[in-house]
Amino acid sequence: KQEVTQIPAALSVPEGENLVLNCSFTDSAIYNLQWFRQDPGKGLTSLLLIQSSQREQTSGRLNASLDKSSGRSTLYIAASQPGDSATYLCAVRPVSGGSNYKLTFGKGTLLTVNP
Amino acid sequence: GAGVSQSPSNKVTEKGKDVELRCDPISGHTALYWYRQSLGQGLEFLIYFQGNSAPDKSGLPSDRFSAERTGGSVSTLTIQRTQQEDSAVYLCASSPLDISNYGYTFGSGTRLTVV
Repeated sequence: KQEVTQIPAALSVPEGENLVLNCSFTDSAIYNLQWFRQDPGKGLTSLLLIQSSQREQTSGRLNASLDKSSGRSTLYIAASQPGDSATYLCAVRPVSGGSNYKLTFGKGTLLTVNP
Repeated sequence: GAGVSQSPSNKVTEKGKDVELRCDPISGHTALYWYRQSLGQGLEFLIYFQGNSAPDKSGLPSDRFSAERTGGSVSTLTIQRTQQEDSAVYLCASSPLDISNYGYTFGSGTRLTVV
C-alpha cells in the first residue's frame, strides 16, 4: 500500500528565505506526482504536476523535483512571501491496477512566512 | 464553467439529518472524484465517476453514503442519518479522460459540521 509522508509537518520562516518542502513515497510505481496548495478553509489549488519521466517542473518561484527511484520529491520556494503561507500537499498517482485514478496524499506541510 | 464548483460551501446539520452536497465539474471533464478531509487527516478517497462506466464506490465509508452523477456532469453526494464523525471537508475534483497527462482540479469544498 502506497504511503506518502511530508516533512516537516510545519515550517515557519522569515520573509525572503528560500525553502524546501519534502515529500516521500513508499511505492516508486507512480504515474505522476502533484503538488497542491490549500489555504485555510479552502479547497486545493494545483501548483505543479510532474510526470514519472520528468525530473523537475518550474512555475515562477516554485520548482518541484522528482526522484522516482528513491521515492522522493521536493518543492523549492524561492524568495518566500507572506502570501505563500498555506498548507502544501503532495499526492501521487499509481501506475498499475484498475484504480490508477486514485491519488494518495500526504498530510501536508503547514508553511508560515513571517513579514 | 471555469472551475469546479461546489455547494454549499458550509453546512451545519443536526445529527440524524440527511444532507446533500453538490459538485459541478469543469465542462468537458469526464472524470469526477469525491474526497473527504477530516481534521488532522489526509485526504481520503470516496468515489470516482468516469463517463458512463460504473462508478468506483470502494471508498465510501458506510452505506449511509451514496453519490450519483446525472448526465455525466453534476454530481451529488448524499449522507443519510448524519453522525458527528461525518464532520469534515468534502472535496470534489474533476479531470479530463487522459488522466496520464493531466492532474486533478479541485473545487473549494463543502465544510460539513454535524452537531
